[in-house]
Amino acid sequence: GDSVTQKQGQVTLSEDDFLFINCTYSTTTYPTLLWYVQYPGQGPQLLLKVTTANNKGISRGFEATYDKGTTSFHLQKASVQESDSAVYFCALVAGGSNAKLTFGKGTKLSVKS
Amino acid sequence: GPKVLQIPSHQIIDMGQMVTLNCDPVSNHLYFYWYKQILGQQMEFLVNFYNGKVMEKSKLFKDQFSVERPDGSYFTLKIQPTALEDSAVYFCASSSSQNTLYFGAGTRLSVL
Repeated sequence: GDSVTQKQGQVTLSEDDFLFINCTYSTTTYPTLLWYVQYPGQGPQLLLKVTTANNKGISRGFEATYDKGTTSFHLQKASVQESDSAVYFCALVAGGSNAKLTFGKGTKLSVKS
Repeated sequence: GPKVLQIPSHQIIDMGQMVTLNCDPVSNHLYFYWYKQILGQQMEFLVNFYNGKVMEKSKLFKDQFSVERPDGSYFTLKIQPTALEDSAVYFCASSSSQNTLYFGAGTRLSVL
């Protein structure tokens, strides 16, 4: 079945640092790769979606791309702010799957001022 | 943005009892989902629902689980009877066209 691996459980940065979170995936379909963000006490919110390999998704200063060759996708931001502190999940929607999401374990980002 | 409301936010129940988790999806959304997240672990798909029917369910969706949305009211997840391993946060989500999912804030279920 489909799977997503997100190894970075926790990342601590200072304001204006560069953020990079990586995920790898496995699927036999043509997937859509997504990043969700979850703030305390809230449900996950869609941050970015990338439907075509090597294309970029950009939102709120975050950028996501995926590499079909290495079956990896990553989230980056050039300069994080304290308000970016949250849990970031990578997720996959397999082609033709009724929008069933397969999530990674999440990366808790803490940004210190 | 669109809001999915989940009621209650926290439910404590004795093992063996029945529990119903309620979800008020985004109005005019037609696709509904439940996900389960055990503390510290990833969110896992349970079931999705469209046009009054379960479309797909995972192996986590045990026989004790059921979902329904009677007459456009709450989309519910019922567990009967509950077991200790059902303790988790349950997230409801809805979407208009199998595209972007909007999630609620979750219901934390504690089975004692």
